[in-house]
Amino acid sequence: DTAVSQTPKYLVTQMGNDKSIKCEQNLGHDTMYWYKQDSKKFLKIMFSYNNKELIINETVPNRFSPKSPDKAHLNLHINSLELGDSAVYFCASSQDGPLSYNEQFFGPGTRLTVL
Amino acid sequence: KQEVTQIPAALSVPEGENLVLNCSFTDSAIYNLQWFRQDPGKGLTSLLLIQSSQREQTSGRLNASLDKSSGRSTLYIAASQPGDSATYLCAVRLWGSQGNLIFGKGTKLSVKP
Repeated sequence: DTAVSQTPKYLVTQMGNDKSIKCEQNLGHDTMYWYKQDSKKFLKIMFSYNNKELIINETVPNRFSPKSPDKAHLNLHINSLELGDSAVYFCASSQDGPLSYNEQFFGPGTRLTVL
Repeated sequence: KQEVTQIPAALSVPEGENLVLNCSFTDSAIYNLQWFRQDPGKGLTSLLLIQSSQREQTSGRLNASLDKSSGRSTLYIAASQPGDSATYLCAVRLWGSQGNLIFGKGTKLSVKP
């Protein structure tokens, strides 16, 4: 199946721990994103990567760091987890550029619960 | 600063009705606008994307329109079915935003059999 996939689907952890969420896309896209959906279901951009280069970074704590080993992967590392980090995190990808449609495709989400 | 508003926040209709979901945005300098569907506990499914130069897009029973000058988009769903029940999200991408989608808070649609 061509898609954006994320692992794990659910992540429950204690405050202060460090965790990672993995994302992979097999659509051949050149840009990948991480979004956060809070308890009120509001979606906000966190990061995007284009050709292994970070190109936007909204007001996200530096405890969050995206890492892209290659064009098809964008993993999210979170250090020193806090209660307020509990949310659903979505990975997305798109093919950008003036000749591209620029439609974003989303993964199934990872529900992070910090206890 | 771009803000995206969706009205109503929730909508309940009987099966078979035609319905319209509304999306408004404050900055008309958009690159494109995308409508998504989100089912409970699931990811986002892209429904329609309208480029800034387009006025509407259609896919099956769905029709999305875009009026940049008034900062509005509508999603029209014809002959609604219980399977259409979901939250519908509107998102805009600005020129030069490098892919950053700005989302509305969504309209939760319930179609009763």
